Amino acid sequence: AQRVTQPEKLLSVFKGAPVELKCNYSYSGSPELFWYVQYSRQRLQLLLRHISRESIKGFTADLNKGETSFHLKKPFAQEEDSAMYYCALSVNYGGSQGNLIFGKGTKLSVKP
Amino acid sequence: DGGITQSPKYLFRKEGQNVTLSCEQNLNHDAMYWYRQDPGQGLRLIYYSQIVNDFQKGDIAEGYSVSREKKESFPLTVTSAQKNPTAFYLCASSTTASSNQPQHFGDGTRLSIL
Repeated sequence: AQRVTQPEKLLSVFKGAPVELKCNYSYSGSPELFWYVQYSRQRLQLLLRHISRESIKGFTADLNKGETSFHLKKPFAQEEDSAMYYCALSVNYGGSQGNLIFGKGTKLSVKP
Repeated sequence: DGGITQSPKYLFRKEGQNVTLSCEQNLNHDAMYWYRQDPGQGLRLIYYSQIVNDFQKGDIAEGYSVSREKKESFPLTVTSAQKNPTAFYLCASSTTASSNQPQHFGDGTRLSIL
């Protein structure tokens, strides 16, 4: 079954602390994974995707096919990182590529 | 900012009434999507369209209908058959229906039942 699991509903850290938002997936094909973020009063937006292998706002995510994981990491959290984070898997659905399966999201709260 | 525009921002429906949510994009994207977002549930796919005049059911299509008569428009109708329509609805688009193409989202419409 195709599935994305984000085990933490809420993650609370202090400013300057490292943060890791967990994401595990289940998919028989070659996975394409994304992290989306929703800041307060803003629309859902792409944070990063694994094929780009880039760092956005200090966040990185590495695809680990052995562990079927795509955890999002940042070494030093900032207050402005507080937001809702969604991990998403692109799947072949009914012959169409590009449909996303989302995890249930993790709310990150960075305390001063 | 531009890109994808959803309207209205808030919508109220009476029992037995159909309502239509608007989604317009000026990104020249081929693919468009509708999601439903419930608290603690993440986003679930209702319908998607790879190209104009084509659309397919997603995971939770029952009680919903769509049309794709124009490339830039993908309206969603919530019918009276949808027994639990209260939710936040998000429209998205992507360049093509390709696995490595990110989706761009609108601001959403919050639907409530009177």
